[in-house]
Amino acid sequence: NAGVTQTPKFQVLKTGQSMTLQCAQDMNHNSMYWYRQDPGMGLRLIYYSASEGTTDKGEVPNGYNVSRLNKREFSLRLESAAPSQTSVYFCASSPTENEKLFFGSGTQLSVL
Amino acid sequence: AQKITQTQPGMFVQEKEAVTLDCTYDTSDPSYGLFWYKQPSSGEMIFLIYQGSYDQQNATEGRYSLNFQKARKSANLVISASQLGDSAMYFCAMRGVPGTGGYNKLIFGAGTRLAVHP
Repeated sequence: NAGVTQTPKFQVLKTGQSMTLQCAQDMNHNSMYWYRQDPGMGLRLIYYSASEGTTDKGEVPNGYNVSRLNKREFSLRLESAAPSQTSVYFCASSPTENEKLFFGSGTQLSVL
Repeated sequence: AQKITQTQPGMFVQEKEAVTLDCTYDTSDPSYGLFWYKQPSSGEMIFLIYQGSYDQQNATEGRYSLNFQKARKSANLVISASQLGDSAMYFCAMRGVPGTGGYNKLIFGAGTRLAVHP
């Protein structure tokens, strides 16, 4: 029972490099989310997708783009990484918008 | 705008005792949901308990209960009979009402780190 799978688990980038964080869920959930977690600040919503074919900005979308490739997959792209994007990134999904979130195990990203 | 506040950066409790983790929230929406998640040192986020704003009774899930005081806008988590495995970060979160900007957004507090001592 995989649930929400994120790749990679760890990544180090140089300033200005680009990369895509991958997320897939096998629970047939409609809604998917990307959060970042910084020390002392809890989790902040970057982008979300209420259903396949839709995406919307969260609290901290600047510097990120997302793609809801299909119902299972929701990717997060950093076009030009900055040190301020050093964080732990969590992908999550929920059956519909008004239910609890199931989280992936996180990606620890360092931008030097 | 919606806001979640957890005022206790850290808490200590003796094993087998009960502990209350505070959470206050601010919203103008009449309908909302409140969640608690646990994050152990391994990093995963584990759902603990949910309370809907119109639920008549306080939510309970095993050793976890939610002390929901709507007038005070507080949703404190009570852990009874603490165990060493309860040592973790605990996050309170809120989801807004359908049709508003807060509906699809589960917003989180800064968290409380709980340490259970033997």
